[in-house]
Amino acid sequence: EAQVTQNPRYLITVTGKKLTVTCSQNMNHEYMSWYRQDPGLGLRQIYYSMNVEVTDKGDVPEGYKVSRKEKRNFPLILESPSPNQTSLYFCASKAGFGANVLTFGAGSRLTVL
Amino acid sequence: SQKIEQNSEALNIQEGKTATLTCNYTNYSPAYLQWYRQDPGRGPVFLLLIRENEKEKRKERLKVTFDTTLKQSLFHITASQPADSATYLCALGSGSARQLTFGSGTQLTVLP
Repeated sequence: EAQVTQNPRYLITVTGKKLTVTCSQNMNHEYMSWYRQDPGLGLRQIYYSMNVEVTDKGDVPEGYKVSRKEKRNFPLILESPSPNQTSLYFCASKAGFGANVLTFGAGSRLTVL
Repeated sequence: SQKIEQNSEALNIQEGKTATLTCNYTNYSPAYLQWYRQDPGRGPVFLLLIRENEKEKRKERLKVTFDTTLKQSLFHITASQPADSATYLCALGSGSARQLTFGSGTQLTVLP
């Protein structure tokens, strides 16, 4: 089944404790992206990647890092999480350029205390 | 800066009626527009895409219009059913498709 898999689905952590949210897709998509979703603010893009070793900032990149060493994986790294990073995170992928459809993961709900 | 507004945060309609959701944008010249459905606790799921040179697209009970002069898209669900209850998101894409910009969504509730 074609899908985007995120882990963990739920995480409670404390301020300053580094964490990584993994994202993997099995559709051979070139493009991958991370979004955060907050009430009233909708989906905001954090980082995206057009292909392996190519990443770019989205609208809200502060406090986050990403890497794209393999085509299928696009982990989101929070080096020193803060409470304002408490949110619902979505990874998504699509095939290359153009108006292709995004396939989303099921989401990762992160709480930073 | 780019701004996308979806008509209201919540919309309640009676089963069988047509639901109409609005997506307005400013400071943007999108090459295409997409609509997604999101159920609680799940990721958005793609519904329809319409390009800047298209006026209307249909898929079963769904219809999307795109007016680049008014900078507006309308999303219609005809003969609505309680199972259509969800949050609907519009998303605008540029020609390079590097980024999709999403609206904050409209929560639709179809009452039996």
